[in-house]
Amino acid sequence: AQSVTQPDIHITVSEGASLELRCNYSYGATPYLFWYVQSPGQGLQLLLKYFSGDTLVQGIKGFEAEFKRSQSSFNLRKPSVHWSDAAEYFCAVGTGNQFYFGTGTSLTVIP
Amino acid sequence: SAVISQKPSRDICQRGTSLTIQCQVDSQVTMMFWYRQQPGQSLTLIATANQGSEATYESGFVIDKFPISRPNLTFSTLTVSNMSPEDSSIYLCSVVDYEQYFGPGTRLTVT
Repeated sequence: AQSVTQPDIHITVSEGASLELRCNYSYGATPYLFWYVQSPGQGLQLLLKYFSGDTLVQGIKGFEAEFKRSQSSFNLRKPSVHWSDAAEYFCAVGTGNQFYFGTGTSLTVIP
Repeated sequence: SAVISQKPSRDICQRGTSLTIQCQVDSQVTMMFWYRQQPGQSLTLIATANQGSEATYESGFVIDKFPISRPNLTFSTLTVSNMSPEDSSIYLCSVVDYEQYFGPGTRLTVT
């Protein structure tokens, strides 16, 4: 069965520091991969997606993610975090019309 | 891309009552999805709604509790019936068009 694991429930980083959020998936083939952000009281916003091709994907707000097939991972990175990045981040796997979400990583940014 | 609106954006309801949530999409889509996001949790798929057929419910969700209508290709409703405090959640409508788009959500509080 397909599954998505985000091993870090909560991460705290200082503003300006780099960030990496981990995501591992379980799926028999190469899935579609997504990262979403949910700010407090807001809906879900797509940060970036991977369908095929270049394994390093650029997204909005300065985020990028790298698909590593050998590790079944799709980690999200940002070189310098801003206070406005504090939010909940969800990794998702899409297989056809089914989407599976990780449990989310809550990001706190300290000044 | 698809733009999705939901009504109401939030509501506070009494135990034992029912609430119908509306979802409107700005383009015709075959499949619409309803998710629940309980406080501090990730998204859980409730059901998939195809136009012209009965909705398909995920394990743990039943039609009597969450009846869904899908009268056309741009609209769907989800009813939360006989509510209890455990139904307090954000309910999200979603469509898939290569990627998944989400409505802003309906924040439901049951007292």
